[in-house]
Amino acid sequence: SQQGEEDPQALSIQEGENATMNCSYKTSINNLQWYRQNSGRGLVHLILIRSNEREKHSGRLRVTLDTSKKSSSLLITASRAADTASYFCATDPIQGAQKLVFGQGTRLTINP
Amino acid sequence: DSGVTQTPKHLITATGQRVTLRCSPRSGDLSVYWYQQSLDQGLQFLIQYYNGEERAKGNILERFSAQQFPDLHSELNLSSLELGDSALYFCASSSPQGGGSTDTQYFGPGTRLTVL
Repeated sequence: SQQGEEDPQALSIQEGENATMNCSYKTSINNLQWYRQNSGRGLVHLILIRSNEREKHSGRLRVTLDTSKKSSSLLITASRAADTASYFCATDPIQGAQKLVFGQGTRLTINP
Repeated sequence: DSGVTQTPKHLITATGQRVTLRCSPRSGDLSVYWYQQSLDQGLQFLIQYYNGEERAKGNILERFSAQQFPDLHSELNLSSLELGDSALYFCASSSPQGGGSTDTQYFGPGTRLTVL
C-alpha cells in the first residue's frame, strides 16, 4: 500500500520559478527521502531527512518535515528545464516489513 | 550512473512464460531491493535481500521469487507471466545501516518487461 501521497499530482511552471511539492504519510517514520525519476529511467536519490530533523538543504533543494502533521515538502528554487521529472517521496516506516514506501509522485514540468 | 546494473534493459515475452531479471549492486552494498513500477500501481516494493538472506517482503506475488548470490548479485524470477506483469522492474542497493532505519537506496536503470 502507498503510505506517501504527493500533492499536486502534476505541476507545470515557468523556468526560473520555484516549485513546491508536498507529501503526506500515515505512520511514524525513521526518515523520509525524496527521489527524482526522469521518464522511464531509474530513480535518483535527492535528499534524506531524518525524523528528528525539521529542515534540510541541498543546493537548490529545500526539504521540510513536520512529523506532527506527518507531512513533508520539497522546494526547488530557480527551476531549470532539466528539473522536469517525476518526484517521489519515500518513507521508511518504523514498523512493518516494508522498506521505503513510495508515493505516487508529482510530475513536474518546467516550461522554457 | 548509480553503480547499480540491471540486465536486460528490455524483455518481451508471452503469457505463461518465465523470465529472470538480473541485478548487480554497487560495490560494497550488501542490501538489494526489488521494485515493480506500473502505471496503475505506482512503485511497489517487492523484496529485500541482505548479504544473501531475505530481509523483508512486500507485495510480491507467489509466482515471483528472488535470490541473492554469494557475490551479492541478485536475480528476480517471474513465472507464469500474465499481461498485468508488464512493468518496469527496478533493483536498488544500499549500504548497511545500523539502528534499523533504511539509508539511501541507489537505483539501477530498470528492466522493462512487456508480456504479450
